[in-house]
Amino acid sequence: GAVVSQHPSRVICKSGTSVKIECRSLDFQATTMFWYRQFPKKSLMLMATSNEGSKATYEQGVEKDKFLINHASLTLSTLTVTSAHPEDSSFYICSARDGPWTTSYNEQFFGPGTRLTVL
Amino acid sequence: LAKTTQPISMDSYEGQEVNITCSHNNIATNDYITWYQQFPSQGPRFIIQGYKTKVTNEVASLFIPADRKSSTLSLPRVSLSDTAVYYCLVGDATTDSWGKLQFGAGTQVVVTP
Repeated sequence: GAVVSQHPSRVICKSGTSVKIECRSLDFQATTMFWYRQFPKKSLMLMATSNEGSKATYEQGVEKDKFLINHASLTLSTLTVTSAHPEDSSFYICSARDGPWTTSYNEQFFGPGTRLTVL
Repeated sequence: LAKTTQPISMDSYEGQEVNITCSHNNIATNDYITWYQQFPSQGPRFIIQGYKTKVTNEVASLFIPADRKSSTLSLPRVSLSDTAVYYCLVGDATTDSWGKLQFGAGTQVVVTP
């Protein structure tokens, strides 16, 4: 199946700094990618939909100015956590799907996740 | 997306069959039923998807009754490496909005020797 990668796999930063997380579709193009957040022992929560060439759409309760999303190409979406605080510490996961012309169109491929720890 | 309900946890021994039932009473006509597996500190992995009756692949089987208000994921002869959280999701997988997945609590399956 299609492969989605994330970088970095884990990052530790100081409170007040910004952190950028990359999500790449390695062997397919994705006009849409999705960002999720998962706290320990909790389920995944959808944060936003990343659209190539246009603004991201955020779920209710997610601060768009804090979680900046850029989808500059068909294979790359980035999530920047601005002015990070300890409560932003979480596991961030992106996902994407292949095109409707493929047999795997109905699947959603997830990245391996990025563990963010804010001190 | 239809709301789903599944057991919080299930325990099993190696070699046994594990069946996880998911309730989705409000499933819509165009909705598919999809199961994902997640190991700690990893992204979810697609297991199986179905619309009606029975679907089988190399990993699992999915049983869907005629009314489609529930579904059962069957994991044959589990091993320790099947210890994970399993999520049941319901939605129209053919539309662009399919990516906006609403994960429930999932079922923690623990396999012991």
